[in-house]
Amino acid sequence: SQQGEEDPQALSIQEGENATMNCSYKTSINNLQWYRQNSGRGLVHLILIRSNEREKHSGRLRVTLDTSKKSSSLLITASRAADTASYFCATDEEYGNKLVFGAGTILRVKS
Amino acid sequence: GAGVSQSPSNKVTEKGKDVELRCDPISGHTALYWYRQRLGQGLEFLIYFQGNSAPDKSGLPSDRFSAERTGESVSTLTIQRTQQEDSAVYLCASSTRGFQPQHFGDGTRLSIL
Repeated sequence: SQQGEEDPQALSIQEGENATMNCSYKTSINNLQWYRQNSGRGLVHLILIRSNEREKHSGRLRVTLDTSKKSSSLLITASRAADTASYFCATDEEYGNKLVFGAGTILRVKS
Repeated sequence: GAGVSQSPSNKVTEKGKDVELRCDPISGHTALYWYRQRLGQGLEFLIYFQGNSAPDKSGLPSDRFSAERTGESVSTLTIQRTQQEDSAVYLCASSTRGFQPQHFGDGTRLSIL
């Protein structure tokens, strides 16, 4: 079963625009992570936010976490064509020992 | 430093054959994970190794699937009597310990004819 569910399933924007992806989950977590996957490649870790954090930045990435709503968002500012990829959120099960990934958001940035 | 390495990168085999997939994690990473990714979908957890602890096999879909890991090094995922529904990309990841950011290999694309 999937813990994280991303929204939207697909997103197409122009270069320079901002992209926002959302993730919802079901159970309590210790942390939430975002990953990027380019076509035909493995996943690359982008950012980790802990359950006691509300916002985190890394370069052009901004992640927010609302544990009361069990949701997170990933904002990519000033998007580039190279940002074209699938983006996944992953949550740990608070009493488990593995990450659970959502189905991902496919982002296409048009130049 | 080398990242996570998986081999083969592609494998095509006939239904009913056994296949063995290999993962070389990053040196020093005690945690190792196997996932399955069907076309256009997210990752499905298969199995998790943490140091010398008993592995978490709760994601293995059937008894045709098994995995081993020698100490904190190489892992192999074996699928016996392959079925067409086993066609997918099998991804391996390692991390310094559980819940830390995972480093992924590029996967093995398995096609069952």
